[in-house]
Amino acid sequence: GNSVTQMEGPVTLSEEAFLTINCTYTATGYPSLFWYVQYPGEGLQLLLKATKADDKGSNKGFEATYRKETTSFHLEKGSVQVSDSAVYFCALRGSGAGSYQLTFGKGTKLSVIP
Amino acid sequence: DTAVSQTPKYLVTQMGNDKSIKCEQNLGHDTMYWYKQDSKKFLKIMFSYNNKELIINETVPNRFSPKSPDKAHLNLHINSLELGDSAVYFCASSQESSRGYTFGSGTRLTVV
Repeated sequence: GNSVTQMEGPVTLSEEAFLTINCTYTATGYPSLFWYVQYPGEGLQLLLKATKADDKGSNKGFEATYRKETTSFHLEKGSVQVSDSAVYFCALRGSGAGSYQLTFGKGTKLSVIP
Repeated sequence: DTAVSQTPKYLVTQMGNDKSIKCEQNLGHDTMYWYKQDSKKFLKIMFSYNNKELIINETVPNRFSPKSPDKAHLNLHINSLELGDSAVYFCASSQESSRGYTFGSGTRLTVV
């Protein structure tokens, strides 16, 4: 079955530091890949997505590139802010007909300190 | 307008009670979901409906029963609540073409 593995947290960074959160996946075919963000006390929001190999998703300064050769979709940001403190989830959705289920990684909590 | 709305936002109840959580989406999506998020933030799918038809029914106790009166609504009814049911429950919806989900803001259930 499909699975997502992301780096364990928590991750604590100083403001303006570089962020990488690793994510690798196992899936058959050509899944779509996502990063979701959950701010404290809120629901999940789609941060970015990529639907095919070599696609780069980007939003709010965050980027992730769909690497089929390494089955990875690492999240990066060049300069984090305190407001980026949240839990980040990597997720995938299968490519077959009727592939409705979104499979999530366990989440990585990011804390950015001033 | 809220795209996916859940009610209530907070629910505190005693063991053994029966409770319902409601979800509505105004996005015109065909598929709706219930996810459970535990205290460690792990998200696990529970159910999914596509056009009112149950398509995903993961291993959850049969005390949990979803009901979809139409494709814009997916409610979750829980019988005989137990302490271990305490969690945040998220409703979501999706459309095949976009492949991403839109989530509600969650219902924090606390069983005492």
